[in-house]
Order: sequence, then C-alpha cells, then structure tokens
Amino acid sequence: EVQVVESGGGFVQPGGSLRLSCAASGFAFSGYELNWVRQAPGKGLEWVSYISTSGGTIFYADSVKGRFTISRDDAKNSLYLQMNSLRAEDTAVYYCARAIVVVVAGTRGDGYDIWGQGTMVTVSS
Amino acid sequence: AIQMTQSPSSLSASVGDRVTITCRASQGIGKDLGWYQQKPGKAPKLLIYAASSVQSGVPSRFSGSGSGTDFTLTISSLQPEDFATYYCLQDYNYPRTFGQGTKVEIK
Repeated sequence: EVQVVESGGGFVQPGGSLRLSCAASGFAFSGYELNWVRQAPGKGLEWVSYISTSGGTIFYADSVKGRFTISRDDAKNSLYLQMNSLRAEDTAVYYCARAIVVVVAGTRGDGYDIWGQGTMVTVSS
Repeated sequence: AIQMTQSPSSLSASVGDRVTITCRASQGIGKDLGWYQQKPGKAPKLLIYAASSVQSGVPSRFSGSGSGTDFTLTISSLQPEDFATYYCLQDYNYPRTFGQGTKVEIK
C-alpha cells in the first residue's frame, strides 16, 4: 500500500523545538518531490515547505523561513521537518504530502496525491 | 505571494444539486491549479490537477475548468459523501498558496 505516516508531534513551549518525521512506504520514495502542509485548529490549509527529489531545491513559507528546516533521507524513505523557535501560531496538524508532477500543454505543475494522517503540534506555555 | 480567493466560503445544498465553487488568483497562473476535498478529521484528497484533469479514482461528477485567474470546481450531482470542505491550491510558483476553503453543507 502506498502511504506516508507522520510522527513526532507533541506539546512544546514557545521557543522550543520539535522534529517531525514522515515515513513512506509502497512507492519509490527517492523519485518524488515532497511537501509539508499544516492546518491550525478550525482553520484552512497552509503550505509550509517543499523539497525536490535530490534535496537540492527547497522552499519555505515566509511564516516559517529561518526557523524550520526540511530534509529527506532517501535511504530511510523518510522526510523530516526540524522546527525551531516555535510560536503559538505554529500550533497545527502537520501533514506530509507527496507531489506528482504533471505536464499539461508544455507547462509543468503538480498535485499532492498522497497525504499522511497528520501529526499534531501544540505550542503553548 | 499569489493570493487565492475562493467563493463562496460556505454553501448549503441538497443531494442531487449542481454545485459550483470558484477560485480567483491575484495574478495569472495559467492552468496551475488543483482542487482538494477535506472531510472533518481527515487529510485532504486530491480531486483535480492542472485545472481540469480529474485524479484517478475520483468520480466523474467532479470537474474543473478555468485558466489564468479564474477557476471553477463543479459537482454535477451532489452526493451525501460530497459534504466536505473544498480548497484550491496554486502550483504556479512558491510559496504555494491555498484558497481559504468552501464548506459544503447539507440543506
């Protein structure tokens, strides 16, 4: 079965750190681009970060830039999100999402076709 | 960052109704748009990519259209399992941005 499973969430005080993991199975992990997406309680979806297949291209949302670091270990079929200097507004369910690359009319785009169940991060004093 | 504005933010509809949700981008994004369905307590599910391509396994009652700045998700005949929140997502550039969501409720 093709799946991704997040872990590592929990309760942390403001200014603290957490490392989220996303374990993949059922597909050729190294061949896929990956993302983190989060959802604050009762709110909409927010894209957080992207990493390319090689790990050589990375992007972040402005809201987490300089505090979060995305990485991958293809040997372990795993994606990570190191979160430092956490703030109350980082409280959310964090999802790992696999991207499928599509080319339509010569234009490259993507869609997030596989999502995990999410891991909850709560930042509070 | 590109802003994605969905409308309406919520709607009430009956089983069998035709439902249309729109998403407007703050700048042209070609056809680089996807639609996602999310049910309470669950992860989002990809419905449509590249504005109008239906993801494998998604019922044919779901369709997408549009290009440039204006996009539409249509459910041709609403089914009980379609009551959920729907989001658009632009994949034209980074940072990726979602619309604020449209909650489809039972009338």
